[in-house]
Amino acid sequence: QKEVEQNSGPLSVPEGAIASLNCTYSDRGSQSFFWYRQYSGKSPELIMFIYSNGDKEDGRFTAQLNKASQYVSLLIRDSQPSDSATYLCAVKRGYSTLTFGKGTMLLVSP
Amino acid sequence: NAGVTQTPKFQVLKTGQSMTLQCAQDMNHNSMYWYRQDPGMGLRLIYYSASEGTTDKGEVPNGYNVSRLNKREFSLRLESAAPSQTSVYFCASTDSGHEQYFGPGTRLTVT
Repeated sequence: QKEVEQNSGPLSVPEGAIASLNCTYSDRGSQSFFWYRQYSGKSPELIMFIYSNGDKEDGRFTAQLNKASQYVSLLIRDSQPSDSATYLCAVKRGYSTLTFGKGTMLLVSP
Repeated sequence: NAGVTQTPKFQVLKTGQSMTLQCAQDMNHNSMYWYRQDPGMGLRLIYYSASEGTTDKGEVPNGYNVSRLNKREFSLRLESAAPSQTSVYFCASTDSGHEQYFGPGTRLTVT
């Protein structure tokens, strides 16, 4: 059974701070890793994906992958109230389907 | 482009009734998916279609059937609705598998 674990939160950070969201996965053969953002009452939308160990940066977002530790994280710099949402981690092996975590709720206070 | 569309947006059923959730995409994607999302449970895959003409079970297929009508459309049918099927249902599609594009969701309540 493939599992993706996330702390459900809420993770509360003040505006301007760095938010750190974490995810662990059980399938050591996982090859692709995704972060989706879901606002309340809306559908998920992709923020970033990462395939290789290390960091990948896109604007205020940085995804970090450590395959040896089976750990992927998302850092959000200069957090804004508009970043308040649930963040879903998802992993994939090859051409298989995505396995989603249950999500972490992020609250950014002004 | 409308992306992924789903109908209806909301539905209330009585136990034992049947209904079909419709999904269509205009992005010429090969793969389409049906998920359900329950509080505290994340997104769980019900069925998927890797390409036109094929369908496969996901994590929670019991009580559901699907039809890939053509490349654009992928429907989900509840033959005899049960209260445990109260959920938000999302359809998604992808081409390369890098990004799944989600529809707006259908909120289903079974009483």
